[in-house]
Parts: sequence; structure tokens; C-alpha cells
Amino acid sequence: GAVVSQHPSRVICKSGTSVKIECRSLDFQATTMFWYRQFPKQSLMLMATSNEGSKATYEQGVEKDKFLINHASLTLSTLTVTSAHPEDSSFYICSASPRQEGFQETQYFGPGTRLLVL
Amino acid sequence: QKEVEQDPGPLSVPEGAIVSLNCTYSNSAFQYFMWYRQYSRKGPELLMYTYSSGNKEDGRFTAQVDKSSKYISLFIRDSQPSDSATYLCAMREDSGSRLTFGEGTQLTVNP
Repeated sequence: GAVVSQHPSRVICKSGTSVKIECRSLDFQATTMFWYRQFPKQSLMLMATSNEGSKATYEQGVEKDKFLINHASLTLSTLTVTSAHPEDSSFYICSASPRQEGFQETQYFGPGTRLLVL
Repeated sequence: QKEVEQDPGPLSVPEGAIVSLNCTYSNSAFQYFMWYRQYSRKGPELLMYTYSSGNKEDGRFTAQVDKSSKYISLFIRDSQPSDSATYLCAMREDSGSRLTFGEGTQLTVNP
């Protein structure tokens, strides 16, 4: 149980293009989904928190117009990196927090998406 | 000062050793404590989940929480090369699902 998927697992794009990353909770409904980025040998950095049907809450220093988050349903959230630049290259990880019994009240993480902007 | 302190290592041990990983924290409102394991280029995987003080055992893994000292530990018995990963402690308050993470400790178990 508590499986979270992400797609794509890896993406390479040219500078200036937009990239969409999908995060799905496969066997539970998620009250809240989170988006993190992680640089090599560093811990997770929370970018934003999203609740289904409402606007995402962004962490200080994260540009909401650059990192668009859509939490369309209780099982799907998307992160769009708009006009990506090389400095946006990173490992992006989503997590989901269940809203049903049988699951621990914590975050379950996806496998991550490696973004490389050329 | 960070809310959660965790020695980043790296920590290198021989196969079969007992591994001790630790975190300290400053926020007395933290009630739930977790350990995640993260393999290279993968998302973190929940290993242990505990509430308040006490011990919890799951196979070769034991999690300990001492709220009076604001100190949590993860012990790995009979460590295996497959345990080589980064271990992240995480904690949260009673309400909400936002987690505060430690920096992660990089562990290598040598065959």
C-alpha cells in the first residue's frame, strides 16, 4: 500500500521550454500533496504544498509563476516548470499524505523526476 | 539553529555491524517521528513511524524516541550491503502533515 508514482522519471529539455511532471497516489486518496526539489548530497527542500481544489502554498523564495502546481483531484497533482533554465536542473520529488484509514498519517514519496535543462 | 540536527556522515561499517543513526530536535511540539531510507536517485521510502516516546521494532530495525531529551535513534542490526543508503529522520507536530527533515546520514555497509 501507499504507492506514489511520478511521470516522467527523467526529462531532458532545451532552455526556455516548459516541463510538466505528474504525481499520482495509486492506492489511496491524498488530502495534501507536496513538491520537493533535491540537489546532489543535500536534503529535501520543500517547494510547495497543495490541497485538492485549492491554490498551492509556496515556500519562501519559490516563484509560483515559474513552478505551477495543479492539484486536480485527490489522486493527481502536477508541477509545471515554465520556461525552464539550466539552474532549474534538479531532482523533483512529490509526496502525498493519505486521508483514509489503514495508512500512516505521514507523507509517502514518489520515485522522483530528474530534470536536466540544456 | 536548525530545528532538526542530523550528522550527515558519511558512515561506513562492515557487514553485520549494528548501526546507530540519530537526530536531535528543538521543537517540543513534535509528536510524530519517522525514518525514511533513500537510495541514490530514488524517492525516500518510509521505514519507521512512531508516535511520542518509546521504542518500535520492525525486523532488523528499531526506532527509539526520547522526547525528554529531544533525541531519536534508528538502530539497524546485522547490517547488509543493501542497507547502504541515505537515512532521513523526519518529524511533525500533532496537526497537519508538513514534515521537518534532518539533513540525512549517508550509510555504506561494506561486504
